[in-house]
Amino acid sequence: NAGVTQTPKFRILKIGQSMTLQCTQDMNHNYMYWYRQDPGMGLKLIYYSVGAGITDKGEVPNGYNVSRSTTEDFPLRLELAAPSQTSVYFCASRVDSPNYSNQPQHFGDGTRLSIL
Amino acid sequence: QKEVEQNSGPLSVPEGAIASLNCTYSDRGSQSFFWYRQYSGKSPELIMFIYSNGDKEDGRFTAQLNKASQYVSLLIRDSQPSDSATYLCAVPPFSGGYNKLIFGAGTRLAVHP
Repeated sequence: NAGVTQTPKFRILKIGQSMTLQCTQDMNHNYMYWYRQDPGMGLKLIYYSVGAGITDKGEVPNGYNVSRSTTEDFPLRLELAAPSQTSVYFCASRVDSPNYSNQPQHFGDGTRLSIL
Repeated sequence: QKEVEQNSGPLSVPEGAIASLNCTYSDRGSQSFFWYRQYSGKSPELIMFIYSNGDKEDGRFTAQLNKASQYVSLLIRDSQPSDSATYLCAVPPFSGGYNKLIFGAGTRLAVHP
């Protein structure tokens, strides 16, 4: 099992460019999440999905879009890159369970994105 | 009030000492609580979760939960330099249907020889 795979690992964008951060998981998890982590800070939830075709906003959704057409994939789209979006982006997934208490999120290795 | 609050640190402890990390949360409906460890430049990894009041022990780690005070802590006994990392408290709020995790800003722990 590869777990949660994120691509690319590093990227430099110019202001105004667009790009898609890819996330795929092979654990058949229904729940998937996108976070950003600024230096010295905790993780902020951008968007999440509870299953294919269902997405919802997190704490900091502005400037981002997501789609969930399959269980495996949950791409994050930046349409007009801004310097404030320079961050490390983590994708995570977890199994669907009525009892959240024993279901951890599994994280990918992250994408380090710089907007110049 | 932030949903999940932690002291940012750094918390500096000598090798072999007990490190105590604290977290408070605002949603009284929250049922379970997670502690993640994050080494510099790496992704978070789960080290403990707790959902009942009291203590839960796993090796050198003990999680403590007090729902009445909305307080959860993590104790690391016999601290080692390899424990030096940022520790993130995470809570799935009732207000989000328990579908998402809200993370604290993390406490940076430094264990010195």
